[in-house]
Amino acid sequence: EAGVVQSPRYKIIEKKQPVAFWCNPISGHNTLYWYRQNLGQGPELLIRYENEEAVDDSQLPKDRFSAERLKGVDSTLKIQPAELGDSAVYLCASSSATDTQYFGPGTRLTVL
Amino acid sequence: KQEVTQIPAALSVPEGENLVLNCSFTDSAIYNLQWFRQDPGKGLTSLLLIQSSQREQTSGRLNASLDKSSGRSTLYIAASQPGDSATYLCAVKVDTDKLIFGTGTRLQVFP
Repeated sequence: EAGVVQSPRYKIIEKKQPVAFWCNPISGHNTLYWYRQNLGQGPELLIRYENEEAVDDSQLPKDRFSAERLKGVDSTLKIQPAELGDSAVYLCASSSATDTQYFGPGTRLTVL
Repeated sequence: KQEVTQIPAALSVPEGENLVLNCSFTDSAIYNLQWFRQDPGKGLTSLLLIQSSQREQTSGRLNASLDKSSGRSTLYIAASQPGDSATYLCAVKVDTDKLIFGTGTRLQVFP
């Protein structure tokens, strides 16, 4: 069974540029999560989807961040415009009816 | 506000040693606690999950305990190996489906 797929794995951009991250969850997993992990810290939840509905986006900086999960499968997280402080690893995870969340390898973003 | 703390931040031990990683949380109102492993450049892998009604879980050389009333959990690794080198994160589940992570313990096991 394929795991959670994320792309790109690495992204370097200049500040004020837009950037997008893509996630394909494990087949059949209805719940999808986006986390941000700063260097030396644990992941922090940005947004959680149940199918195509965003049920918890309280930690998503809505002035510059947006996300979508069309058809309840793949998801895209976008930042526009990016700031220096957005440099981090962006992790996607998915889960089914169990408590276990399965994480992808993440996208390492560097904003110059 | 729930806060999760892990001690130590880093640990370096010789192969074969038994070791204990610590995790503490400020609010005992949790659904469960999980221990994850994170290798450099990779995502997180779930190691053990302890429900709030349980006291411990075991998987191979790993044993995790939970004392919810005191807000503490430990991860015990027996007979450590170089392949155990990674960052270990604990996380508590609060609300209906939200994980709060600690900052992790970076473990290095040398031959």
